[in-house]
Amino acid sequence: QKEVEQNSGPLSVPEGAIASLNCTYSDRGSQSFFWYRQYSGKSPELIMFIYSNGDKEDGRFTAQLNKASQYVSLLIRDSQPSDSATYLCAARFNDYKLSFGAGTTVTVRA
Amino acid sequence: DAGITQSPRHKVTETGTPVTLRCHQTENHRYMYWYRQDPGHGLRLIHYSYGVKDTDKGEVSDGYSVSRSKTEDFLLTLESATSSQTSVYFCAISEAGGNEKLFFGSGTQLSVL
Repeated sequence: QKEVEQNSGPLSVPEGAIASLNCTYSDRGSQSFFWYRQYSGKSPELIMFIYSNGDKEDGRFTAQLNKASQYVSLLIRDSQPSDSATYLCAARFNDYKLSFGAGTTVTVRA
Repeated sequence: DAGITQSPRHKVTETGTPVTLRCHQTENHRYMYWYRQDPGHGLRLIHYSYGVKDTDKGEVSDGYSVSRSKTEDFLLTLESATSSQTSVYFCAISEAGGNEKLFFGSGTQLSVL
């Protein structure tokens, strides 16, 4: 069974701090990884994707991928109250379907 | 929401009744998906479509059927709704295959009493 695991949280961080979210996956054949943000009562929106080992930065967001250890993480620098949301990790396996984790809820304290 | 409209937005129905949810897109994307989202389970794929009249099952397809007669419309049908199908249903589209870079509709809250 292909699984994507995330800590459900809530992860509470003060405004201006770094929020660190982790995700592990079970299938070594996974090829691409995605982070979606979902505000309460809203639909998910894609914020980052990463295909290769290492770091990928986009504004205040950095995605990190380590295929040997089968984990992917998301760092949110200079966290803002508007970053308070649930973050969904997703992995694409060889059958070309995305599997989603249950999400990590982040709360940024002003 | 990237030219995706789901209807209805909310529905309450009774056990045993048929229910159809509609997803309409104006992006002309080839791939369309139906997901359900439940607390503690994240998003789970029900069915997907890779073209007109081309559909396939996802991981939680039992009790659901789909149809796609036009590029822009993807229908999800619960033939006989059960309480376990109470959930939030999201339609999503993507330009390329592999479920990558999904764009989601606003969701349908379905309650089966």
